[in-house]
Amino acid sequence: AQKITQTQPGMFVQEKEAVTLDCTYDTSDPSYGLFWYKQPSSGEMIFLIYQGSYDQQNATEGRYSLNFQKARKSANLVISASQLGDSAMYFCAMILTGTASKLTFGTGTRLQVTL
Amino acid sequence: EAGVAQSPRYKIIEKRQSVAFWCNPISGHATLYWYQQILGQGPKLLIQFQNNGVVDDSQLPKDRFSAERLKGVDSTLKIQPAKLEDSAVYLCASSLGSGTLDSPLHFGNGTRLTVT
Repeated sequence: AQKITQTQPGMFVQEKEAVTLDCTYDTSDPSYGLFWYKQPSSGEMIFLIYQGSYDQQNATEGRYSLNFQKARKSANLVISASQLGDSAMYFCAMILTGTASKLTFGTGTRLQVTL
Repeated sequence: EAGVAQSPRYKIIEKRQSVAFWCNPISGHATLYWYQQILGQGPKLLIQFQNNGVVDDSQLPKDRFSAERLKGVDSTLKIQPAKLEDSAVYLCASSLGSGTLDSPLHFGNGTRLTVT
């Protein structure tokens, strides 16, 4: 079974500062993928970044980077230079290999960017 | 490219009534998913289709929920009869691959269902 844990229900960050959103996972499968999604108040889930379990380097996409620590089973999202538009819910999710694999989500972290 | 389309955007029904949601995935995406997101929680997979076949429906309450994907494109999700605990946002998603690690899911805006 796979499990995703996000321990921060809410976070505040000042505009232009960096923020780290925590995510830990649990699986015995050696092959998996980790995703981060952003969900603004409109409800849509927006794909941000992906990290494969065999990737040697941490994933980066613009202002988003994933701090992947495999031994600690953590996949924290780092947002640099926060903007007001970054205020949203952020979900960490994991997928395992296999024909019937499914994306399992954490409970989310609500990020509020302040002036 | 056009995104995943869902309708209706909002729906309010009384308990024991029936309701249906519609989803049109991104063109060319073979895999379609229905997720249920209860307020304050992460989305939970209800059913996954690969083309028009069901890959995973282990968490679908089959006594009241049903879904189909005719011709491997559009999909409908139905609830009959609805219960109060079905109040949630129902998200449809699609992806190019099935179970591939680097094939992200693309989500629609969801249907917010309120059961009174």
